[in-house]
Amino acid sequence: QVQLVQSGPEVKKPGSSVQVSCKPSGGTFSRSAISWVRQAPGQGLEWIGGIIPFLNQADYVQNFQGRVIISADESTATFLLTLSSLRSEDTAVYYCVRGGGGKRVDFFDSWGQGTLVTVSS
Amino acid sequence: DIQMTQSPSILSASVGDRVTITCRASKSISDWLAWYQQKPGKAPNLLIFKASVLERGVPSRFSGSGFGTEFTLTISSLQPDDFATYYCQQYDDFFPAFGQGTKVDLK
Repeated sequence: QVQLVQSGPEVKKPGSSVQVSCKPSGGTFSRSAISWVRQAPGQGLEWIGGIIPFLNQADYVQNFQGRVIISADESTATFLLTLSSLRSEDTAVYYCVRGGGGKRVDFFDSWGQGTLVTVSS
Repeated sequence: DIQMTQSPSILSASVGDRVTITCRASKSISDWLAWYQQKPGKAPNLLIFKASVLERGVPSRFSGSGFGTEFTLTISSLQPDDFATYYCQQYDDFFPAFGQGTKVDLK
């Protein structure tokens, strides 16, 4: 099974940006369907958006339009989540997840270990 | 967007109990539904996809059923390792969405 290794925890000020990385081990990078899901403290799971490098297109849920960029760096075989204009409500664990059927809209069969992003002044 | 509603939010049960969690979709999603188990401080773990297909390595006491708008996750005989929070997720719509979760705790 593909393993997803994420970057470490981040503490950010309101209004700033954060970038979280995710590196898969195994699988074909360009055809991997990777999404990002977040979980605020004590709350449920929220899909943010996803990408398939082969299709060179990322899609995002309406709530995050304009503040989020999901990208794929083929040179380092790494997926990136960039979230800008951070506010306290963005404090959450961010997971990268893989589409089990190779599609962007899919169930998720592999999860990264999670990256805690704390937004605090 | 499709909304997913789970019930109950909290389920208190004993080891050996048969446990059923329900997930309802705001419109038909065929059988494009997955179930996950999450333990505190850990990432969720896929249990079932396509409403009833057991992920490799998941114990057979877990089963899923349903089609359209109503789905169930059943644990036939609850084990100590099963106390956790369970989420359903639809992947029919352009935007995947999760239910709010059902916490299974010790009665």
